[in-house]
Amino acid sequence: KQEVTQIPAALSVPEGENLVLNCSFTDSAIYNLQWFRQDPGKGLTSLLLIQSSQREQTSGRLNASLDKSSGRSTLYIAASQPGDSATYLCAVPQGGSEKLVFGKGMKLTVNP
Amino acid sequence: GAVVSQHPSWVICKSGTSVKIECRSLDFQATTMFWYRQFPKQSLMLMATSNEGSKATYEQGVEKDKFLINHASLTLSTLTVTSAHPEDSSFYICSAPDRAHGDGYTFGSGTRLTVV
Repeated sequence: KQEVTQIPAALSVPEGENLVLNCSFTDSAIYNLQWFRQDPGKGLTSLLLIQSSQREQTSGRLNASLDKSSGRSTLYIAASQPGDSATYLCAVPQGGSEKLVFGKGMKLTVNP
Repeated sequence: GAVVSQHPSWVICKSGTSVKIECRSLDFQATTMFWYRQFPKQSLMLMATSNEGSKATYEQGVEKDKFLINHASLTLSTLTVTSAHPEDSSFYICSAPDRAHGDGYTFGSGTRLTVV
C-alpha cells in the first residue's frame, strides 16, 4: 500500500530564503507525482505535475524534482515571499489507479 | 486549465438533516469524480470514486448509505451526507482528472460542513 510522507510538518522562514520541501513515497511504481498548494479553508491548487519519465519540472520560482528509484521528490521554492505561506502537499497515484495518496502536508510560513 | 466548481463553500446544519454538496466541471467533461474528506491538520482521505452513469465505488470504512454519491451527467457529481451527525463535520473536496493537461487532477474549492 502506497504511503506518502512529508517532513517537516511545518516550517517558518524569513522572506527571501530558498526552500526545499521533501516528499517520500514507499511504492516507486508511480506514473506521476503532483505537488499542490492549499490555503486555509480552501481547495487544492495544482503547482507542478511530474511524469515518471521526467526528472524535474519548473514553473516560475518553483522547481520540482523526482527520483523514482529512491522514492523521493523535492519542491524547491526560490526567493520565498509571504504570499507563499500555505500548506504544500504532494500526492502520487495508488498502484496503477487514478486514486491519489496524499502526504499530510507541510505548513509553510514566510515572515516579512 | 480545467475548473471544478464546488458548492456550497460552507454549510451549517442540524443533526439528523441531510446536506448536498455539488461539484460541476465547467469546461470539460468529468467522467470520473473523486470525493475526499479532510480533518483539521490531516491529509485528504479518499472516500469514494464516482463514474458517470454507474454506481460509485466506496473506500473501505466509508458508509455508502450515509454518503450518497450521484454522477448523473458528465458535468455534475453530488455528495449527500444523510442524517448528519457532529462527527461528520469536516472539509469535503471533490477532484477530477484533468486529462486535457496530462494526468494531473483539478480540485474543487471545498465545502466546510459543520453539524450542530
